[in-house]
Amino acid sequence: SSELTQDPTVSVALGQTVRITCQGDSLRTYYANWYQQKPGQAPVLVIYGKNNRPSGIPDRFSGSRLGNTASLTITGAQAEDEADYHCNSRDNSGNHWLFGGGTKLTVL
Amino acid sequence: QVQLQESGPGLVKPSETLSLTCIVSGFSISTGYHWGWIRQPPGKGLEWIGSVYHSGSTYYNPSLKSRVTVSVDTSKSQFSLKLSSVTAADTAVYYCTRDSYDRSDYWGRGTLVTVSS
Repeated sequence: SSELTQDPTVSVALGQTVRITCQGDSLRTYYANWYQQKPGQAPVLVIYGKNNRPSGIPDRFSGSRLGNTASLTITGAQAEDEADYHCNSRDNSGNHWLFGGGTKLTVL
Repeated sequence: QVQLQESGPGLVKPSETLSLTCIVSGFSISTGYHWGWIRQPPGKGLEWIGSVYHSGSTYYNPSLKSRVTVSVDTSKSQFSLKLSSVTAADTAVYYCTRDSYDRSDYWGRGTLVTVSS
């Protein structure tokens, strides 16, 4: 398959833990990256590779992978984490990028 | 500080060619990395368009390959996107990115291109 699948919407209570998932065959070979996008802004990389955070990204963001499913976990979600989250990875050829459809996270 | 800035017409007529340029500052475009384009139709998800290596090697989304050209001009520290035979479905915010093999770590702010007569 050349697709990545995400749940369209996820919600979490303030301060609780939430997991956002991304499924696809390419994830058996390649790690997922996760991008956070707030309204009217460009996406920002929050997790890449096995479980790496770029400088400035809070440590409440973490990533994992099991089989064909990658997960982004936010431990102790904050109001400012409300955003769209997009996963991506290389496709099975390794030459192209795939994106999931995005997950809208609501912090209640 | 690496910065990318997209520029180009905000309105393109159907069947014409969309042309965008991304100017890179704070980093030498000749120093490795791929330079890519991603788009996002209004209210929808992200779609990878293609990328170019500083040497000129290119990689394109198979679904757009027949219409896309991405090129790099290292002397001007910029790279470009051309998308031919556009339709309303090509209306989107277009982002330019700096890509290592495993991630897109820098993004431009994006530019909205509307396809309409």
